[in-house]
Amino acid sequence: GAVVSQHPSWVICKSGTSVKIECRSLDFQATTMFWYRQFPKQSLMLMATSNEGSKATYEQGVEKDKFLINHASLTLSTLTVTSAHPEDSSFYICSAGLSGLDSYNSPLHFGNGTRLTVT
Amino acid sequence: AQSVTQLDSQVPVFEEAPVELRCNYSSSVSVYLFWYVQYPNQGLQLLLKYLSGSTLVESINGFEAEFNKSQTSFHLRKPSVHISDTAEYFCAVSERDTGRRALTFGSGTRLQVQP
Repeated sequence: GAVVSQHPSWVICKSGTSVKIECRSLDFQATTMFWYRQFPKQSLMLMATSNEGSKATYEQGVEKDKFLINHASLTLSTLTVTSAHPEDSSFYICSAGLSGLDSYNSPLHFGNGTRLTVT
Repeated sequence: AQSVTQLDSQVPVFEEAPVELRCNYSSSVSVYLFWYVQYPNQGLQLLLKYLSGSTLVESINGFEAEFNKSQTSFHLRKPSVHISDTAEYFCAVSERDTGRRALTFGSGTRLQVQP
């Protein structure tokens, strides 16, 4: 079964509204979660790194006030796209795992992604 | 900063033929290297990784990749592909000595295995 559950798998919203995407680790505790964005026929681009109990670290060019990330527990991180616009339409993917120098032998698990369409 | 280049966006191949998916990377720091596979309507799954030791790494389903530091490459190979290998394959790197596990991905290669 899925180790990381991402919900919803797809969502359509109107311009100006906000959308929340959830990423849950089902059978392990994730000290770090990552949010990626993927445009058609392009690579996954890292948006932010989320560590439990601390503020997310955003990549250059990603608006932190537009893409709100909360990692309140070791099993849940959320990405909220605020005041969504059509250019925010994309495929969003989360990844969860352990962090630190000794963590590389443990896998990173990916959600199945959320396709957001803003009309 | 790192970058990953997968020059082939699509690779059509007949069943039981060999295949090579190319991956080159650029980085100012030492990196770990990964190949991920994405089957239709599924999330990314780790196929294989290079952390240290032997530069040739293998997966359980017959894929192998070789880390070539001088050529900054990590090409993926399989001597005989199956229909079930049809998927999108992503090469990725992460920083080696920081504990930061964020991945930098290539643009992906769609492997299409034909009967």
